[in-house]
Amino acid sequence: NAGVTQTPKFQVLKTGQSMTLQCAQDMNHEYMSWYRQDPGMGLRLIHYSVGAGITDQGEVPNGYNVSRSTTEDFPLRLLSAAPSQTSVYFCASSHRQGGNEQYFGPGTRLTVT
Amino acid sequence: SQQGEEDPQALSIQEGENATMNCSYKTSINNLQWYRQNSGRGLVHLILIRSNEREKHSGRLRVTLDTSKKSSSLLITASRAADTASYFCATDDSSYKLIFGSGTRLLVRP
Repeated sequence: NAGVTQTPKFQVLKTGQSMTLQCAQDMNHEYMSWYRQDPGMGLRLIHYSVGAGITDQGEVPNGYNVSRSTTEDFPLRLLSAAPSQTSVYFCASSHRQGGNEQYFGPGTRLTVT
Repeated sequence: SQQGEEDPQALSIQEGENATMNCSYKTSINNLQWYRQNSGRGLVHLILIRSNEREKHSGRLRVTLDTSKKSSSLLITASRAADTASYFCATDDSSYKLIFGSGTRLLVRP
């Protein structure tokens, strides 16, 4: 198993540009989520999904969209990038929402200039 | 807002010593988990303790949970240089969203 994969590893955007961060898992996990990690802030939940076709907002959803058309994939879209979205983004998955360990991808380091 | 807050923010110890990190949280929880993050990498799950458990062991790790004080501690015994990493607690409540604290940076000096 590849586990949780994320692409790209690094990305530089200009303010106002849009892009999609890709996340895929091959463990047949129902639950997937996106976090951002800023220095000294720990991880903050952006969006999550409990299964294909179902998504919901986390702590910091503004400026981001998600969709879950398949169990395996959970892309994160930045609609109009802003410097405040400069961060490291992590995707995670688990068998169900609560009471299970989450498996994390290696992260995408995004810089918005 | 973040649910869990780790203490201390940074910890430096000698190899072979024990390392203790604490986590406090604000609301009732179903489970509390601890994760490790090596520099530039994703998080790795270490241990999960349920709200009806008070102590759990896994290898050199010992986790305690005091729901009356809304706090947990992670003890790493006989630390090694390879334990150098950031450690995060994460809680899930009735909404089952996993909320992370800001982490403790542990440095184990050889």
